[in-house]
Amino acid sequence: QKEVEQNSGPLSVPEGAIASLNCTYSDRGSQSFFWYRQYSGKSPELIMFIYSNGDKEDGRFTAQLNKASQYVSLLIRDSQPSDSATYLCAVNLYTGRRALTFGSGTRLQVQP
Amino acid sequence: KAGVTQTPRYLIKTRGQQVTLSCSPISGHRSVSWYQQTPGQGLQFLFEYFSETQRNKGNFPGRFSGRQFSNSRSEMNVSTLELGDSALYLCASSLTGGENEQFFGPGTRLTVL
Repeated sequence: QKEVEQNSGPLSVPEGAIASLNCTYSDRGSQSFFWYRQYSGKSPELIMFIYSNGDKEDGRFTAQLNKASQYVSLLIRDSQPSDSATYLCAVNLYTGRRALTFGSGTRLQVQP
Repeated sequence: KAGVTQTPRYLIKTRGQQVTLSCSPISGHRSVSWYQQTPGQGLQFLFEYFSETQRNKGNFPGRFSGRQFSNSRSEMNVSTLELGDSALYLCASSLTGGENEQFFGPGTRLTVL
């Protein structure tokens, strides 16, 4: 089992819909979770992060954590074609190593 | 505030050569992490430097090395290049450490022929 797993997609949603991206992680003790967006040919851009104490909303983006099932979700409301990108989940696994472990990313396509 | 800068942006080398990549973090950030990104393996952690000390190292051979200077600028060196080293090399800076929010530079695209 990979330490951080994401469905590679593509996840295709129509413009204006809610896009839901999921990420599962292996270590139950993990404390912090990050979502990055990466456009083709560009570097990852931090969208938002949450800690194990709660969900977070920022504009059209909501990050939710389900500790019992060990997954974190990113919801994008009112999806726009400009949201089409690869979304990377990163987790600070509770392994003692002070580094982020990245999933392989989910490609999102928002259809106009 | 200026973002993370990396130089050069593109490099073409041949097998057996060595290469040095440079990264300047966001002002005030003392942590610099390096990653290799390839289509097949995704983002893989190379190492992290914090206040001139290597704090973490990923599972890469010793041909990959790095250092950090007193002004937090970091360099990564790859010796005896192999074809499989062709990748996008990204550095990320963080205020508090590689386990917290990181901000990526534009990357250096290395092609090994």
